[in-house]
Amino acid sequence: KQEVTQIPAALSVPEGENLVLNCSFTDSAIYNLQWFRQDPGKGLTSLLLIQSSQREQTSGRLNASLDKSSGRSTLYIAASQPGDSATYLCAGYGSSNTGKLIFGQGTTLQVKP
Amino acid sequence: DAEITQSPRHKITETGRQVTLACHQTWNHNNMFWYRQDLGHGLRLIHYSYGVQDTNKGEVSDGYSVSRSNTEDLPLTLESAASSQTSVYFCASSHYRGDEQFFGPGTRLTVL
Repeated sequence: KQEVTQIPAALSVPEGENLVLNCSFTDSAIYNLQWFRQDPGKGLTSLLLIQSSQREQTSGRLNASLDKSSGRSTLYIAASQPGDSATYLCAGYGSSNTGKLIFGQGTTLQVKP
Repeated sequence: DAEITQSPRHKITETGRQVTLACHQTWNHNNMFWYRQDLGHGLRLIHYSYGVQDTNKGEVSDGYSVSRSNTEDLPLTLESAASSQTSVYFCASSHYRGDEQFFGPGTRLTVL
């Protein structure tokens, strides 16, 4: 059974710092992996989808990587800003046949001015 | 612009009542999903649908039902609301299996 873990549960950094959020999964047969952002009291906003055949995906200051052999994905945020403060969730598809995402518990990021 | 909407955004109901939460998407996506989000449990899948008349149970489906009569809508019904069903409910959709999922704004349900 695929499990997704995000450590740490919370992270606080000063503004301007480059940072990495971690996501690990137990089954290397994971298909696509998606990163989300969730602001307090809001829905989930899709940030990036890394397809199984890709190793990384970039959007603005965000770069996500996927290493299936090591069971890890990372979300790199460059030059962090207070507006980046939110909870970041990763979620993976167990196979190409399933439409079901398996979610990690999330990392709550605080960027201090 | 295409979007996914949920209604109501907030709902307070009493134990034992039937409640229906609406989800509507304008992307013409085949797949639709219902999740609940609770502190300490994260996001858990309740029901999902891969197309019209095709619905499936997720990991926490007891006490919930869905039906899909068209592409755009997947209403979630709580047959007899229980206090344990107090939660935030999210609807999501995707074009094909394994594709990017897009989420609605959520419905906060309180069962007294």
